[in-house]
Amino acid sequence: GEDVEQSLFLSVREGDSSVINCTYTDSSSTYLYWYKQEPGAGLQLLTYIFSNMDMKQDQRLTVLLNKKDKHLSLRIADTQTGDSAIYFCAESMRTGGFKTIFGAGTRLFVKA
Amino acid sequence: DTEVTQTPKHLVMGMTNKKSLKCEQHMGHRAMYWYKQKAKKPPELMFVYSYEKLSINESVPSRFSPECPNSSLLNLHLHALQPEDSALYLCASSHSPPPDNEQFFGPGTRLTVL
Repeated sequence: GEDVEQSLFLSVREGDSSVINCTYTDSSSTYLYWYKQEPGAGLQLLTYIFSNMDMKQDQRLTVLLNKKDKHLSLRIADTQTGDSAIYFCAESMRTGGFKTIFGAGTRLFVKA
Repeated sequence: DTEVTQTPKHLVMGMTNKKSLKCEQHMGHRAMYWYKQKAKKPPELMFVYSYEKLSINESVPSRFSPECPNSSLLNLHLHALQPEDSALYLCASSHSPPPDNEQFFGPGTRLTVL
């Protein structure tokens, strides 16, 4: 299947950590990505992880991959109001030629 | 130059019009993509060009016609569109063709079909 699922909303207080979760179904996925989209804008690649890794850290961002459970998470430390956006989980998979499948997106609200 | 640019930013067209969306990148990327994004939905892949050749067409109606005149430019020609085609059209590029899908997105063209 080609499903990538995410919860639709997350609300956190400024300074707290945010954890956005994603599940995917295709075990042939090679890369898994997190994109950020601010209102009226295109998507910005935040970070990605190769499917043979289980963790990647990049400044305030930590990606955890549980390949057995097909679960991906993005942790944002010290969340700021500027982090308010929609976060899309995506997987690159082989299906008649590689393509990227996006989840529905998680809207992150950061309260001051 | 590390960005993908798209023109126009907004486009309103009638169902009988012919228009084109343009996308440009000067990062030396060899793969370029068109996506369609409806409100509150994820982007849906339409086309992928690898080394200026169409490699993926996601069964997009023929009223959308992509063109890749060179490695830096990607066009999407529009003709006889329907109101349900109104959406944000996103262009993206990546250094290498899939599966290396680290894609850089443009800001999009917001299309309204009357």
